[in-house]
Amino acid sequence: DAKTTQPPSMDCAEGRAANLPCNHSTISGNEYVYWYRQIHSQGPQYIIHGLKNNETNEMASLIITEDRKSSTLILPHATLRDTAVYYCIVVFSGDDKIIFGKGTRLHILP
Amino acid sequence: GAVVSQHPSWVICKSGTSVKIECRSLDFQATTMFWYRQFPKQSLMLMATSNEGSKATYEQGVEKDKFLINHASLTLSTLTVTSAHPEDSSFYICSAPGLAGGDEQFFGPGTRLTVL
Repeated sequence: DAKTTQPPSMDCAEGRAANLPCNHSTISGNEYVYWYRQIHSQGPQYIIHGLKNNETNEMASLIITEDRKSSTLILPHATLRDTAVYYCIVVFSGDDKIIFGKGTRLHILP
Repeated sequence: GAVVSQHPSWVICKSGTSVKIECRSLDFQATTMFWYRQFPKQSLMLMATSNEGSKATYEQGVEKDKFLINHASLTLSTLTVTSAHPEDSSFYICSAPGLAGGDEQFFGPGTRLTVL
């Protein structure tokens, strides 16, 4: 069972920041928040992950609320190539198995 | 980063035949690999965990005799869809955890199976 809730779809104007929310209200202390995305007809691609602190890499930023019950993935300057389904996944520390939810289909508008 | 490949990328077969899909970790070893199935406009569904040198672990509802998994080496796992039928037509994706101590999982590009 997926432990996260995401909006089914979102639109974002090209060049603007895309903010994708995720609820994980039942997350436990040993579970990480991971984000992957899947561009049409390709395998998923890792984006970022975090436990408690906010994280940033070359692709995105991850903001996790203090109570860890929700998080937001931020793509700072969205491009048309960011059009994809974005999956927020909770993973137990040391567990390699990933269970996908329904994700958010992000449409970048030119 | 680590690369996972799949072969073939696309296959069409007749109903009743068997199809083998290969998943390879190209520049790292993977004692564990995962197989997913994805129907159009749906999310990925985990089918099984492939374990090098031992039997695969199947998720509930997945027929192990229908979907044979072999993980004979540290870089290769195979999924064989036996006696394929049109309802088995799907996008099959494998993945492998990265290097020891790494946090991300690497996914193959997927294999699209069409059963006529």
